[in-house]
Amino acid sequence: SAVISQKPSRDICQRGTSLTIQCQVDSQVTMMFWYRQQPGQSLTLIATANQGSEATYESGFVIDKFPISRPNLTFSTLTVSNMSPEDSSIYLCSVEARGLGIQYFGAGTRLSVL
Amino acid sequence: AQSVSQHNHHVILSEAASLELGCNYSYGGTVNLFWYVQYPGQHLQLLLKYFSGDPLVKGIKGFEAEFIKSKFSFNLRKPSVQWSDTAEYFCAVNARTGRRALTFGSGTRLQVQP
Repeated sequence: SAVISQKPSRDICQRGTSLTIQCQVDSQVTMMFWYRQQPGQSLTLIATANQGSEATYESGFVIDKFPISRPNLTFSTLTVSNMSPEDSSIYLCSVEARGLGIQYFGAGTRLSVL
Repeated sequence: AQSVSQHNHHVILSEAASLELGCNYSYGGTVNLFWYVQYPGQHLQLLLKYFSGDPLVKGIKGFEAEFIKSKFSFNLRKPSVQWSDTAEYFCAVNARTGRRALTFGSGTRLQVQP
């Protein structure tokens, strides 16, 4: 299995500001994913982040709003830029364990935008 | 594009009752199938998975699921639920080859009454 640490676990932010969420994995992984879980809804993929390449964004998500970094095989960040109340969600980092085909999830970052 | 449908949004059962949660998917290729569980205040955990072979798979905590290819279904079952099974359950799929990100269903909130 993979142990994933996400920081911060929660935050309350003002409209127009940005927040960077960190995701640290205890083992080297090729594929990392960022999902969003809006209140009362399911998980929606924001982007796939592979080390050494640009993140691949899903329809409806753009790099200017959600820039992602993936500097090495154990770490990634997601920034939520120029936040509005509609960005209030839980943001989750996920990794696929090498060779197992299973994805593990972090505890998530609960973001509230006022 | 992949899609996943969970037909039961909110299920209320008494302890010892049997459980079956429906999950249907739409995808043109070969898929891997998953059930994840999210207990109150906790992160997503893998309950069980199907990659290939025996279509009846067993997971943790007495859960099982059956893959019926002809029906594009992967229903979750448990013969006798406990109060501790109260949680949100998500069905998810990804492609056997190619796209690795998960597509989630809308989730089913299970409430087990003592």
